[in-house]
Amino acid sequence: KAGVTQTPRYLIKTRGQQVTLSCSPISGHRSVSWYQQTPGQGLQFLFEYFSETQRNKGNFPGRFSGRQFSNSRSEMNVSTLELGDSALYLCASSFQVPNEKLFFGSGTQLSVL
Amino acid sequence: QQPVQSPQAVILREGEDAVINCSSSKALYSVHWYRQKHGEAPVFLMILLKGGEQKGHDKISASFNEKKQQSSLYLTASQLSYSGTYFCGTETGANNLFFGTGTRLTVIP
Repeated sequence: KAGVTQTPRYLIKTRGQQVTLSCSPISGHRSVSWYQQTPGQGLQFLFEYFSETQRNKGNFPGRFSGRQFSNSRSEMNVSTLELGDSALYLCASSFQVPNEKLFFGSGTQLSVL
Repeated sequence: QQPVQSPQAVILREGEDAVINCSSSKALYSVHWYRQKHGEAPVFLMILLKGGEQKGHDKISASFNEKKQQSSLYLTASQLSYSGTYFCGTETGANNLFFGTGTRLTVIP
């Protein structure tokens, strides 16, 4: 069974640009969660999707948004990038709810210059 | 809503034991533990549900004190392969899971 796939693996953007990250969950998993990881803050919860609906959202500004498609694949978008958005963005999938065992992807390393 | 982990970092010699603590200011439905090795994705260790149960995974076990809103991860007779950053995740309501800032564990020969 293929694991969680995140693309691209690395991204370099400049301030003010926007970026879209993609996540393909494990086949059969319908819940997808997104996390931002930085050295000092650990894993910060962004949002969680299930059946194309956002069920929960962390404490991030509206520049961070996401969506989920009917095949459970998910994308997250960050508009008007700031230097502080530089981080590893991790996607995790689970069968139905995020309080089950999560399977994480390898992440997308975003650098904002 | 982010849980607090302690210590932030610990260095052990092979064979020594360690305890990592996780506490929350909110009532908890469950506590999750993950380990992340450098450059890799976090990997699931265990989930503890309400009820104060203790779980084990090889020589790694954990407890959950629902009343104190705390959990502890116990690593016994540590091995080099235990090195990594340990995260606790706490569930305080439906469909959310908030992780702590992590505890970096280094096991040396």
